[in-house]
Amino acid sequence: DIQMTQSPPSLSASVGNRVTITCRASQSISSHLNWYQQSPGKAPNLLIYAASRLQSGVPSRFSGSGSGTDFTLTITSLQPEDFATYYCQQSDTPPYSFGQGTKLEIK
Amino acid sequence: QVHLVQSGAEVRKPGASVKVSCKASGYTFTSYYVHWVRQAPGQGLEWMGIINPSGGNTRFPQRFQGRVTMTTDTSTSTVYMELSSLRSEDTAIYYCARDPSPGDMSYFDYWGQGTLVTVSS
Repeated sequence: DIQMTQSPPSLSASVGNRVTITCRASQSISSHLNWYQQSPGKAPNLLIYAASRLQSGVPSRFSGSGSGTDFTLTITSLQPEDFATYYCQQSDTPPYSFGQGTKLEIK
Repeated sequence: QVHLVQSGAEVRKPGASVKVSCKASGYTFTSYYVHWVRQAPGQGLEWMGIINPSGGNTRFPQRFQGRVTMTTDTSTSTVYMELSSLRSEDTAIYYCARDPSPGDMSYFDYWGQGTLVTVSS
């Protein structure tokens, strides 16, 4: 099975800051990498699919990059609603594993 | 618009089974695969498997083989996930999610609201 490792596990930042979350796969997954945002008590929400494609309706301050084993999610100009937990997920080979999550907190 | 509406919370004893439903609306039901994902309290997300509503083909991780069943009812646009031989570690929120591009650039674009399943004696 493919293991997904996110870093950091948690992150403190201020409104207006830029943050980057990384995700590493245990083997190459090409561009089969998705990012989700989950707010407390809510279902996950798709942000980025296929490593860099912005899901319809998601603000352009979210962007994704990478291929192979290393990927990043970048959020520019943090907004109050962005403080949540972020998960990467590989969809290259079942089981479609998720990273352990990165909790983004307000500084 | 697309909606996935799941059944309500359940409480089961260890060893029992639970069946969670996910009713789809707003799109052609048989044109999109559906996944199930669970989340234990305070934990991350775990993929449980996928079903093709057109034909009923399924695929599960090995750790759930023999314990999970996924079915569909095309007449009501509903997907079901049944988990048997429940143990306390199965206590979690269970989500269904739609996949617009299975097998290629698979991703989950719409999610149900989640169903809390509590396993307790």
